[in-house]
Amino acid sequence: AQKITQTQPGMFVQEKEAVTLDCTYDTSDQSYGLFWYKQPSSGEMIFLIYQGSYDEQNATEGRYSLNFQKARKSANLVISASQLGDSAMYFCAMREGRAGYQKVTFGTGTKLQVIP
Amino acid sequence: DVKVTQSSRYLVKRTGEKVFLECVQDMDHENMFWYRQDPGLGLRLIYFSYDVKMKEKGDIPEGYSVSREKKERFSLILESASTNQTSMYLCASSPTFSGRSRYNEQFFGPGTRLTVL
Repeated sequence: AQKITQTQPGMFVQEKEAVTLDCTYDTSDQSYGLFWYKQPSSGEMIFLIYQGSYDEQNATEGRYSLNFQKARKSANLVISASQLGDSAMYFCAMREGRAGYQKVTFGTGTKLQVIP
Repeated sequence: DVKVTQSSRYLVKRTGEKVFLECVQDMDHENMFWYRQDPGLGLRLIYFSYDVKMKEKGDIPEGYSVSREKKERFSLILESASTNQTSMYLCASSPTFSGRSRYNEQFFGPGTRLTVL
């Protein structure tokens, strides 16, 4: 079974608009972490935002926010005021496991294209 | 500046060859990971290691092995390369997970594009 599910292979958004990228996850661990990474066409992986399973507040980093709904096991990324440079692949990832044994798995990604 | 380096950006090998992909990190991280990335499949975890000489299978370990003799170095080995192992290989490292810390992210190398003919 997929641990991380990203159901949107591709999305378009108008420049300056907000966009939500979906991510659902599956784990039986109580302590886990959720990440979003951006991969532009250059191929580098850029860390965007992190949410710990015990964090009570939704994480925010500049124009990025993570809409964390624990009961629904969802961790959607919200990008506000989209810019042309936001066009990239976006990956959701989950870290699970005990201290000293930590597995990180990724979703299949969403390709976001920002239209001028 | 934190850094993860991979031995080659591009590699071309023949079917049946033994292939070594090397990854080195300079951040004293405990955890290291190998992924392969294929279009439409995202990043799939091959193996990971949480300490020197320790290794764990990921989701797709078949056809691969790994070695971690030193903390900073994590090698991926294709014992007998096959055409279906043509892919982009990404190495990553991270510190030990702390549940409440925001500093849990992985740092990635630039990737090795492997072609097996």
